[in-house]
Parts: sequence; C-alpha cells; structure tokens
Amino acid sequence: DTGVSQDPRHKITKRGQNVTFRCDPISEHNRLYWYRQTLGQGPEFLTYFQNEAQLEKSRLLSDRFSAERPKGSFSTLEIQRTEQGDSAMYLCASTGTAEGTEAFFGQGTRLTVV
Amino acid sequence: AQSVTQLDSHVSVSEGTPVLLRCNYSSSYSPSLFWYVQHPNKGLQLLLKYTSAATLVKGINGFEAEFKKSETSFHLTKPSAHMSDAAEYFCVVSPRGNQFYFGTGTSLTVIP
Repeated sequence: DTGVSQDPRHKITKRGQNVTFRCDPISEHNRLYWYRQTLGQGPEFLTYFQNEAQLEKSRLLSDRFSAERPKGSFSTLEIQRTEQGDSAMYLCASTGTAEGTEAFFGQGTRLTVV
Repeated sequence: AQSVTQLDSHVSVSEGTPVLLRCNYSSSYSPSLFWYVQHPNKGLQLLLKYTSAATLVKGINGFEAEFKKSETSFHLTKPSAHMSDAAEYFCVVSPRGNQFYFGTGTSLTVIP
C-alpha cells in the first residue's frame, strides 16, 4: 500500500488517560501534517514536520499534545490527560516539497473520550 | 493572512442537474487551491487542484473549477449530478506550499 496509513482507526479512552496515534506517510514524502476534525467542521491544522524537524505548531496544540517524527519517517501524536473536548477525528497527511503539490490524507483516527 | 470561505454549508440538487459549490479565498501569496471530497467514513480525496497554470481546472468524476483572481473565487461545478456525488466537499488554499487551510465544508445532497 502506497498511501498514508494511520493506526489505530478508532480509540475510546477514559478522561484523564494518555493516548498515542501513529501515522506512516507515503515513503518519499518529507512533509507530514497533523489535523483535527470535529463534526461538521473542516480539518484544523495542528502541526507539521519537514523530515524530523517540527516546523510549525498551531495555538490549538495545547501543552497536553506532543508530536514527534524521530527519524523523518513515521510520526506519533500523543495526547496526555485527555479531556472530552479532545474527542475528534485526527488526520495525518503527507506531501513532497514540489510547488503546488497536494496533500495525501490518511483515513484518520477517531478518538472518543468518555 | 489566509482564509477560505465556503459560501454554502448545504447544497441540495436533483440527480442529473448541475452542481455549483462556491468558494472564496484570501491569501497574502499567489496560492495553490484544491477541492477535496470526503465520503462518510472515508478519507479525504483530492478532486482537483489549481497551481497557477490554466484557470479552468478539470478533476476527477466530471468536476471542474475555475480560478478567478479578480473575484478571489474557486467555485466547483459539475454539469450533471450523480447519486454517488453526495458527500462533504472542502475548498483548500495553500499559500506557500507548506500549509493547507480548509474551509468549513459544503454538504452535497443529491435527490433521486
């Protein structure tokens, strides 16, 4: 499979627990993005990496959120001390660096905090 | 500053009639523009993109979009709607190629 893959597809967790999501981008893509999408809204940018460097973070990304891309390949997004407001679809995307390139999205991880 | 406004949150058309989904953008740069479609429980799929070449862009499944710089618009059209077109559609602007800003989406309903 040459697409963007995310794991798990669904996660139910109790409030206060920590969760971690993984994203495997398209192998030749050096840019990786995380987005959050809530019901009825468009995806909102969280953060992005070029290779292993985290170049930009949204103000939406509170201190409880951390993302890594240690070897410039897969990435993880961790949410500590989850809150009910964290319930959302978390989307990962990857792109190359050519001008005008589109983002390729994974199918997302749906997080439900109970 | 960059922003995307999708002018209609819901559009309903009859099968076989034309589709028009409207998008206006603002960007400090000459942006790339995209339309993505999201079917229920599916990932985001690229329909088409504009990257400063031809202003009329053809995409998959018979969709087209026209870039109008003077109107800062990038409306999506299709001559004849099909039942399978029912989905959520997102207009996206990428001002410098390293960030993608989404509109709030337009839900398209196709009536048989």
